Amino acid sequence: KAGVTQTPRYLIKTRGQQVTLSCSPISGHRSVSWYQQTPGQGLQFLFEYFSETQRNKGNFPGRFSGRQFSNSRSEMNVSTLELGDSALYLCASSLSGQTYEQYFGPGTRLTVT
Amino acid sequence: GENVEQHPSTLSVQEGDSAVIKCTYSDSASNYFPWYKQELGKRPQLIIDIRSNVGEKKDQRIAVTLNKTAKHFSLHITETQPEDSAVYFCAAKETGGGNKLTFGTGTQLKVEL
Repeated sequence: KAGVTQTPRYLIKTRGQQVTLSCSPISGHRSVSWYQQTPGQGLQFLFEYFSETQRNKGNFPGRFSGRQFSNSRSEMNVSTLELGDSALYLCASSLSGQTYEQYFGPGTRLTVT
Repeated sequence: GENVEQHPSTLSVQEGDSAVIKCTYSDSASNYFPWYKQELGKRPQLIIDIRSNVGEKKDQRIAVTLNKTAKHFSLHITETQPEDSAVYFCAAKETGGGNKLTFGTGTQLKVEL
């Protein structure tokens, strides 16, 4: 099976702009989680979607949002970008709500200038 | 919420030696503990995991032990090889709450020839 894919891989944006990142899970996987990875804060949970519903949310401001489509693909959106949003954004997919193993995509490297 | 501490932050061993990385968690209700390996510029890769009803799990040169009473778990790598050099992350998943993982801060393992 193909692994988790993310697009785009690299992105450069300006402060105040918004951005949308996409994640395609492993075929058959219905849960998608998003994480932010920075050198200072490590890996931090953003949110999880399962069957098109947000099931859990981390401690990030409302500028960070997401959604999941009927084919399990997920997008996350960051509005009004700040310099501190520069990070590697990783998504991870899992088979179902009761299967814990999560497999990560390659990430989207977002740079905010 | 869950808090995961990981030690050491850096670890240097000679090829063929063993390496041990330790993590402690705060929420006694956590029930799943994965370990991820992340090479430079690559995605985190799930290398081994353990559930709360198991005390030890082994996969070739890698093993994980869990002490629920003390709320800590450890990764053991035997006969280390240069390709084991990477950053290793431990994580914990709380019971319920979907698939949210709380990560440790990572250990940079360097295997020297």
